Amino acid sequence: AQSVAQPEDQVNVAEGNPLTVKCTYSVSGNPYLFWYVQYPNRGLQFLLKYITGDNLVKGSYGFEAEFNKSQTSFHLKKPSALVSDSALYFCAVTGGFKTIFGAGTRLFVKA
Amino acid sequence: GAVVSQHPSWVICKSGTSVKIECRSLDFQATTMFWYRQFPKQSLMLMATSNEGSKATYEQGVEKDKFLINHASLTLSTLTVTSAHPEDSSFYICSARSSIRGQETQYFGPGTRLLVL
Repeated sequence: AQSVAQPEDQVNVAEGNPLTVKCTYSVSGNPYLFWYVQYPNRGLQFLLKYITGDNLVKGSYGFEAEFNKSQTSFHLKKPSALVSDSALYFCAVTGGFKTIFGAGTRLFVKA
Repeated sequence: GAVVSQHPSWVICKSGTSVKIECRSLDFQATTMFWYRQFPKQSLMLMATSNEGSKATYEQGVEKDKFLINHASLTLSTLTVTSAHPEDSSFYICSARSSIRGQETQYFGPGTRLLVL
């Protein structure tokens, strides 16, 4: 069975500092990995995905994520955080047919 | 990019009534759509997979007679919450699977907030 783990409920970072939101996964076969962001009372917005190819994936709003097969991780990163990045971030994996979401990590960026 | 809409965006209803939520893929055809439920401060839980022209596949623990899903066309899936109760109050999000240029991507609707009084 596939699963996704986001070990941190919350990440706090100062504006201008780099941020990392962690994600590990478990899936049989080759994974399709995604990051989504959700603002209060809104649906999910797609940030980036890894299907195949380069392990470093660049996405929207300056975010990027690195696929690490040996560690089964797909951490989300941004070199310089903005206050407007404060939101709820979900990692997701599609293995086979279904997409399973992690529990979410709330990011707080302090000015 | 591909767009998925949901209607209504929010609904308040009395206990015992039924509520229908529509999910439309606006610029692509989706043979498969998914319905998720999200409780406050929690992740999305997959409720069911909606397949055009066939019966939906429900996840374990989801009552199919309670949450009726109809995928009438390649651009429309509906979720009907029958005889709604306060515990059905939640944020319902649909997504549509797109296969463009051989790549499959899931696009999400903006969500529908349901409040049952």
